Amino acid sequence: DQQVKQNSPSLSVQEGRISILNCDYTNSMFDYFLWYKKYPAEGPTFLISISSIKDKNEDGRFTVFLNKSAKHLSLHIVPSQPGDSAVYFCAASGYGGATNKLIFGTGTLLAVQP
Amino acid sequence: DAGITQSPRHKVTETGTPVTLRCHQTENHRYMYWYRQDPGHGLRLIHYSYGVKDTDKGEVSDGYSVSRSKTEDFLLTLESATSSQTSVYFCAISEDGQNQPQHFGDGTRLSIL
Repeated sequence: DQQVKQNSPSLSVQEGRISILNCDYTNSMFDYFLWYKKYPAEGPTFLISISSIKDKNEDGRFTVFLNKSAKHLSLHIVPSQPGDSAVYFCAASGYGGATNKLIFGTGTLLAVQP
Repeated sequence: DAGITQSPRHKVTETGTPVTLRCHQTENHRYMYWYRQDPGHGLRLIHYSYGVKDTDKGEVSDGYSVSRSKTEDFLLTLESATSSQTSVYFCAISEDGQNQPQHFGDGTRLSIL
């Protein structure tokens, strides 16, 4: 059973517009959430994280929002750039006290059109 | 970029043969991890290490063993490779295990025929 779900396999956005990537989780014990970006033939690169005690975290063009009651998080990229085209994975940890074990979603392929 | 090197980067081998993948880090981080990435599954944790000679199982550990004799090296072994272990394998490191990002190597593409 997938504990972390990314229901949109792909997303296409125009350059300069906002990209919104979504992630849902099933286990309320998760207390730390991360977003990674992955280019082909490379490893995932850490983008941004958020603790469950917060509902928003910003880093430059990237903002992560956490809605604990809905068990939902989202990544906003503003403005989107062609170099943002990649697969984005959300991940969660903290279930059962396992603070170091990341559970990943299946990824969303973002295409930013020039 | 975190100093993580995976070797080999690509390998093709036959069913039943032993395979060892190596992860080498220059960051002196305590935690090291092995993941596999498969279509429709994202990344799944195979094994991890929390110190020299200290390892534990992850989500998909059957058919895999690991060893860590030095802080900088974490080995993943498939004792008798099967076609279901064809995958892309990623190593990751983190300074400690307390809710912090893990940083990944560039992966090993393993094909088992």
